[in-house]
Amino acid sequence: AQSVTQLDSQVPVFEEAPVELRCNYSSSVSVYLFWYVQYPNQGLQLLLKYLSGSTLVKGINGFEAEFNKSQTSFHLRKPSVHISDTAEYFCAVLNFNKFYFGSGTKLNVKP
Amino acid sequence: NAGVTQTPKFRVLKTGQSMTLLCAQDMNHEYMYWYRQDPGMGLRLIHYSVGEGTTAKGEVPDGYNVSRLKKQNFLLGLESAAPSQTSVYFCASWGANVLTFGAGSRLTVL
Repeated sequence: AQSVTQLDSQVPVFEEAPVELRCNYSSSVSVYLFWYVQYPNQGLQLLLKYLSGSTLVKGINGFEAEFNKSQTSFHLRKPSVHISDTAEYFCAVLNFNKFYFGSGTKLNVKP
Repeated sequence: NAGVTQTPKFRVLKTGQSMTLLCAQDMNHEYMYWYRQDPGMGLRLIHYSVGEGTTAKGEVPDGYNVSRLKKQNFLLGLESAAPSQTSVYFCASWGANVLTFGAGSRLTVL
């Protein structure tokens, strides 16, 4: 079965600092990769996705992610975070019609 | 607005009671999913469906049943609720390379 690992359960960062949220997945076959954001007491919203093509993917709210096939990683980055980015972020993999999610990373942006 | 609608949003059950969560989507998507979200565990797939009349087990199917009698609806049932099923349940549908989530249903089993 597919597994998705988000090593950092919590990431504290100061406003306007850069941030990287890490995601690794287990499958060596072709997969589709996603990052979702969840604000408190809400559902999940799509930030960005990698289906094919360029390994650098740009999403909403200034986020981007890089697909690295050899390292089976899909790390999420933002060069300068804002207080409003405080939320929980989930990495996901689509493999054989099923979506597998990581355990989530809580991003806490401090003023 | 097009999207995924879950009902009810909140429910409190006693151990042993049964209930059904309803998920409806108006995007004509074939694929639908039920997940549960628990702190520190991310989202775990309970059951999913690849089209009307089909269902399949996910990672944590025990204690749950599902039905997809109509393409737009995906029902999740608990026949005999247990405290371990206290969770937030999310429905999602997949189409046009986007997985769209409902707002969630918070279930508490006492």
